Amino acid sequence: LAKTTQPISMDSYEGQEVNITCSHNNIATNDYITWYQQFPSQGPRFIIQGYKTKVTNEVASLFIPADRKSSTLSLPRVSLSDTAVYYCLVGDTGRRALTFGSGTRLQVQP
Amino acid sequence: NAGVTQTPKFRVLKTGQSMTLLCAQDMNHEYMYWYRQDPGMGLRLIHYSVGEGTTAKGEVPDGYNVSRLKKQNFLLGLESAAPSQTSVYFCASTFARRGGTEAFFGQGTRLTVV
Repeated sequence: LAKTTQPISMDSYEGQEVNITCSHNNIATNDYITWYQQFPSQGPRFIIQGYKTKVTNEVASLFIPADRKSSTLSLPRVSLSDTAVYYCLVGDTGRRALTFGSGTRLQVQP
Repeated sequence: NAGVTQTPKFRVLKTGQSMTLLCAQDMNHEYMYWYRQDPGMGLRLIHYSVGEGTTAKGEVPDGYNVSRLKKQNFLLGLESAAPSQTSVYFCASTFARRGGTEAFFGQGTRLTVV
């Protein structure tokens, strides 16, 4: 899987929009970008996945520029319950090992 | 639909003891994975399987063995437990679709080796 770089931690306040950017300069043509969320003492949970441009679901949006060398997870109007670690994975996950980086620890304050 | 189930949820072992962690999935997924997560760290891949009867090493395979005799089950074995293997272990499974797929995780097994 392509190597990814994302911030170690971020802080925000309730009601704000949070954008977490992930760099993946050596992304391959067949690679998808997938984000997971992990709460303490739980396994990661799939949030969103995309290949190019913009993807939106009920939880988040994923923005991918044309060169696909980075991606941004956008969480609208965060709440305390969004405090978690967010992982960016890049790869053709159906065909290879699924490896995680260190993730971004998001702390939402009241 | 139970998803991914790990057994046991908690375990305390003495150094040198052996044990097997069981992961079971009911989604007919081809791929299964075992990870360990140490406090404050990300997940590290131990071993994975792309299908029944096949396994492969991940990032940190030493001290662990695995078996995938049935498609729905993936077993992780510790032959001689060491305190360095104290961790939370997560199992996951996915379909083997080209292009990207959603992984489903179990609730984790908290293992302490004393």
